[in-house]
Amino acid sequence: NAGVTQTPKFQVLKTGQSMTLQCAQDMNHEYMSWYRQDPGMGLRLIHYSVGAGITDQGEVPNGYNVSRSTTEDFPLRLLSAAPSQTSVYFCASRQGGAGTGELFFGEGSRLTVL
Amino acid sequence: DAKTTQPTSMDCAEGRAANLPCNHSTISGNEYVYWYRQIHSQGPQYIIHGLKNNETNEMASLIITEDRKSSTLILPHATLRDTAVYYCIVRDSYNNAGNMLTFGGGTRLMVKP
Repeated sequence: NAGVTQTPKFQVLKTGQSMTLQCAQDMNHEYMSWYRQDPGMGLRLIHYSVGAGITDQGEVPNGYNVSRSTTEDFPLRLLSAAPSQTSVYFCASRQGGAGTGELFFGEGSRLTVL
Repeated sequence: DAKTTQPTSMDCAEGRAANLPCNHSTISGNEYVYWYRQIHSQGPQYIIHGLKNNETNEMASLIITEDRKSSTLILPHATLRDTAVYYCIVRDSYNNAGNMLTFGGGTRLMVKP
């Protein structure tokens, strides 16, 4: 199993450009989420999904869109990039349902907005 | 979710036990204690979690005080590869609405030769 795969690993954008960060998992996990991590800081939740067709906002959703058309994929879209969105982005997934359990993280996508 | 307090940084000698404390004085009865670590800007990695009993797995041990207001993560024989930021997170069990984890600043553990 590949686990959680994020692409691209690095990206440089100009202010106002748009792009999509891709996230795919092959563990048949229902729950997926996106976090951002600024230098020296903890992770902050952007958006999450509890299953295909269902998404919800996290702590810092402004400037980002998500969709969940399949169980495997959870792309994060930046419609008009701003320098404040320079960060490292992590995608995570876990099994569905109630209970406890671990989050599985991707290796991160490092985005710089000039 | 209950708030946690961790030291900003700690040092540990290679081969010795690393004891990482976490205070969670406002924890409620149905909230679990989770530990994750992040090695050099990689994605966070799950270590262990527990409710009230002490827990041990191949990576670490988790000691939770009887009043559950604090806990300690123990890496029994720290190696240089254990140098990382360690996050203590407290939350209740997931329900069907999702309930993703909230990460704070964590403790930066430096294992020294």
